[in-house]
Amino acid sequence: DTAVSQTPKYLVTQMGNDKSIKCEQNLGHDTMYWYKQDSKKFLKIMFSYNNKELIINETVPNRFSPKSPDKAHLNLHINSLELGDSAVYFCASSQFRGPSYEQYFGPGTRLTVT
Amino acid sequence: RKEVEQDPGPFNVPEGATVAFNCTYSNSASQSFFWYRQDCRKEPKLLMSVYSSGNEDGRFTAQLNRASQYISLLIRDSKLSDSATYLCAVVAGGGADGLTFGKGTHLIIQP
Repeated sequence: DTAVSQTPKYLVTQMGNDKSIKCEQNLGHDTMYWYKQDSKKFLKIMFSYNNKELIINETVPNRFSPKSPDKAHLNLHINSLELGDSAVYFCASSQFRGPSYEQYFGPGTRLTVT
Repeated sequence: RKEVEQDPGPFNVPEGATVAFNCTYSNSASQSFFWYRQDCRKEPKLLMSVYSSGNEDGRFTAQLNRASQYISLLIRDSKLSDSATYLCAVVAGGGADGLTFGKGTHLIIQP
C-alpha cells in the first residue's frame, strides 16, 4: 500500500532533453508538492498544488512545468535539461486544512543529466 | 540569516546513550514544526510533529520553544537503527505552504 508513489525511480538523460516525472498519492490528500534535494542534500520546495491549482511557485526556472490532472496526481515536466538539474526530486502530499499539515513524501526520483 | 538552522554533526553516540538535537528558525510567524528522519538515498519520513506543549513518542521527545524560536529532539536509549539524518522542518503558515527544512543533523550510533 504505497501512500505516495513516483515514477521513474531513476532517470539518466542527456543535456537538452525533455523528461517527465509522475507522482500519485492514495492518502486522500488535496495538496501536493515537488521538492528538490541537491548534491549537498539541501531539500527545498519547488511547487505546491491544492485541488489542481498552483499555490506556490518558488524561483524555479520556467523550464520546469508542473501539472496536476486531479488532486491525487502531480507531474513534473522539465524541458531542455541542464547539468545543474541533476538532483533527487521528491513529491509530497498533505491536507490543505489543518489541524495537521503533516507532509508525506514519495520515494524520490534520482535525475542524472549527462 | 538562514531560515532553519541545524548543527550538521556528525554526532557519534554509543548505543544506549541519550542524544539531543536543536534546531532554530528565523520566521517568528511559523505555525507548524516537524522532525523528519532521512536514511541514505531515501525519502524523508515524518518522525514527529512538534507541539507547544511538547510531545513524546516512545523513546523520542520533541519540544518547541516559541520565545527562543527553537525546537528540540531527544532520543533516549539510542539504537543502531537510529543512525540517520534528522531534518527539522517548519511551515510558515498552513494550507499549501511548503516545508522549510534545515540541512539536517547526521547521527551515527556506535555499537
